[in-house]
Amino acid sequence: GQNIDQPTEMTATEGAIVQINCTYQTSGFNGLFWYQQHAGEAPTFLSYNVLDGLEEKGRFSSFLSRSKGYSYLLLKELQMKDSASYLCAVRADYGQNFVFGPGTRLSVLP
Amino acid sequence: DTGVSQDPRHKITKRGQNVTFRCDPISEHNRLYWYRQTLGQGPEFLTYFQNEAQLEKSRLLSDRFSAERPKGSFSTLEIQRTEQGDSAMYLCASSLTQGREKLFFGSGTQLSVL
Repeated sequence: GQNIDQPTEMTATEGAIVQINCTYQTSGFNGLFWYQQHAGEAPTFLSYNVLDGLEEKGRFSSFLSRSKGYSYLLLKELQMKDSASYLCAVRADYGQNFVFGPGTRLSVLP
Repeated sequence: DTGVSQDPRHKITKRGQNVTFRCDPISEHNRLYWYRQTLGQGPEFLTYFQNEAQLEKSRLLSDRFSAERPKGSFSTLEIQRTEQGDSAMYLCASSLTQGREKLFFGSGTQLSVL
C-alpha cells in the first residue's frame, strides 16, 4: 500500500519562514511533488524532487530524503497570498499514477 | 496553451440520476487523469489514460463509474445511479510523458447529490 502523511494545519506570520513536512511510504519511488491549492481552485505545481537534496525556486524550496521517506516544503518571506493548502504527492513508479497526501492548510496572519 | 478545461463547473443532481462530466486536456498532452477531492482532503485517484487507453483504475472505484477517452483527446467521466456519497469535486489533470512529468489540473466539476 501507499501512505502519505502531512500535518493538517499550520499557522505562520507574514514575513516569516514556514516548513511543511511530508512523510511517505510507497512500494517504489519515482518522484515527489508539491502542489499549492487555494480554496475552491485547482492545484498548481510548485516543485519536484527525485534525487536527495534541496531544490530552490524563488521563495519556495523543497527537500527530499529518499532513505527516510521524508520531504519538506520551505516557504520564505511569507505573504498573505500564500494562505492555501499544500499537497504532497508521490509517484511510486514511472507510468503509475500520482498519490496525494491529505494536504496541509496554511494560514498566514498579518 | 489554453489549459485544462472541465465542464460543467457545478452540477446538482438528485440521488439515482446519472451524470457525465467532460474534460479537455492541454492539446499536446498524452496522459489524462481523473481525481476526486472532498473538503479538507487531498485528491483521490480514480483513473488515468495514455492516449485512448485506460491504463489504471482505482480499486476503490465502483462499477457505477466509467470513463472514456475515445480519440485520445477529451475525456468523459460518467457516474450512474448517483449516491450522496458521490458529492465531491471531480478534478481532471493532463500531462506530457517527457522529462519531468507533472500534472496540470483543470478547475474541477463540483458535484452535489441531493
